Amino acid sequence: GAGVSQSPRYKVAKRGQDVALRCDPISGHVSLFWYQQALGQGPEFLTYFQNEAQLDKSGLPSDRFFAERPEGSVSTLKIQRTQQEDSAVYLCASSFGPSNQPQHFGDGTRLSIL
Amino acid sequence: GENVEQHPSTLSVQEGDSAVIKCTYSDSASNYFPWYKQELGKGPQLIIDIRSNVGEKKDQRIAVTLNKTAKHFSLHITETQPEDSAVYFCAASPPDTGKLIFGQGTTLQVKP
Repeated sequence: GAGVSQSPRYKVAKRGQDVALRCDPISGHVSLFWYQQALGQGPEFLTYFQNEAQLDKSGLPSDRFFAERPEGSVSTLKIQRTQQEDSAVYLCASSFGPSNQPQHFGDGTRLSIL
Repeated sequence: GENVEQHPSTLSVQEGDSAVIKCTYSDSASNYFPWYKQELGKGPQLIIDIRSNVGEKKDQRIAVTLNKTAKHFSLHITETQPEDSAVYFCAASPPDTGKLIFGQGTTLQVKP
């Protein structure tokens, strides 16, 4: 594919609902990252996959957040029992190599929790 | 852990002038420093990056300098154009972590 693709672009959910956000990385990219970007702030790291292995999940804010990449390609970020403070843009990035390689970002999913 | 500070938060220049954005980082082991441009409603776009074994890198109107001793790096844009208007983020990557630690962003406005 041409770039990192994320869906949906916008998601509105009521507090307490579960949501799932999808990321299609650039074909052949080994590494995949999720970031959370609050309004007016820089992206903040959530989690990192190398192929299907989740190597770092230190940025996930709570156990309500869960990410997977079962076949080493598409990834899903799931948020259970959403709360208002989860409202943000969720960005996915991929890179060709394992670490310290250029990361290419998708346009994100804007999540609004009512 | 790594912390990145970015200044200024806003910058307004006349078309054709230069713009400079500065970042400092806290972890001396960080070894990769990318710069991203983000337009409204879009994801960050990589514009230039530098590794810790290099002091300066240039790509047309954009250059980045790195001072490892002072733990600071800067983005220089020359001959600015209105289409350069956007939010710019610096980032640092500690070794073997993969993650990027971002600064707070600089909103650049180029006035025609």
